[in-house]
Amino acid sequence: NAGVTQTPKFQVLKTGQSMTLQCAQDMNHNSMYWYRQDPGMGLRLIYYSASEGTTDKGEVPNGYNVSRLNKREFSLRLESAAPSQTSVYFCASRTTITEAFFGQGTRLTVV
Amino acid sequence: DQQVKQNSPSLSVQEGRISILNCDYTNSMFDYFLWYKKYPAEGPTFLISISSIKDKNEDGRFTVFLNKSAKHLSLHIVPSQPGDSAVYFCAASAEHYGKLTFGQGTILTVHP
Repeated sequence: NAGVTQTPKFQVLKTGQSMTLQCAQDMNHNSMYWYRQDPGMGLRLIYYSASEGTTDKGEVPNGYNVSRLNKREFSLRLESAAPSQTSVYFCASRTTITEAFFGQGTRLTVV
Repeated sequence: DQQVKQNSPSLSVQEGRISILNCDYTNSMFDYFLWYKKYPAEGPTFLISISSIKDKNEDGRFTVFLNKSAKHLSLHIVPSQPGDSAVYFCAASAEHYGKLTFGQGTILTVHP
């Protein structure tokens, strides 16, 4: 049982480049989330999706877009990466009555 | 606007003693609260949760207390073990399926 799988695990981008972070869950969860973790800032919500076909902004959505491709997959896209987006990104999924399960994270560096 | 706050960035405790981690929230709509533990280079893992209809939930060495009037929750770890050394995050949500908002985290160090 893989749980929540994120790819890639590490990525280095140049300023202005674009990339998509992939996330897939095999637990049949309705809700999916993207967070970023920065020192002293905790986990900040970028976007979330309460169900397939819906997405909503979180605390720090600027510079990001998301796609809930189907129930399993929720991708995060950086159209034009900036050094301020250097962070560790976590995807999570959840049903309505359980805790959220997290992936292992993607460590992104923008130079 | 930080809706969930962990005001202690770090906590140091001796092995065998009690660890108490605190969390405050401002949104009175929150009705479900969770604690997560995170080791370096890993994703957060769920520890324990509590619904707003309760004031205490216990699971082995871990107990979470909720004081709704003070908008405060705490996690007690008894006895603390060196393996408990990690970053602890509290989180809150309204209506279970909505946004899950996290605090800044507290680094717990348990000394042998």
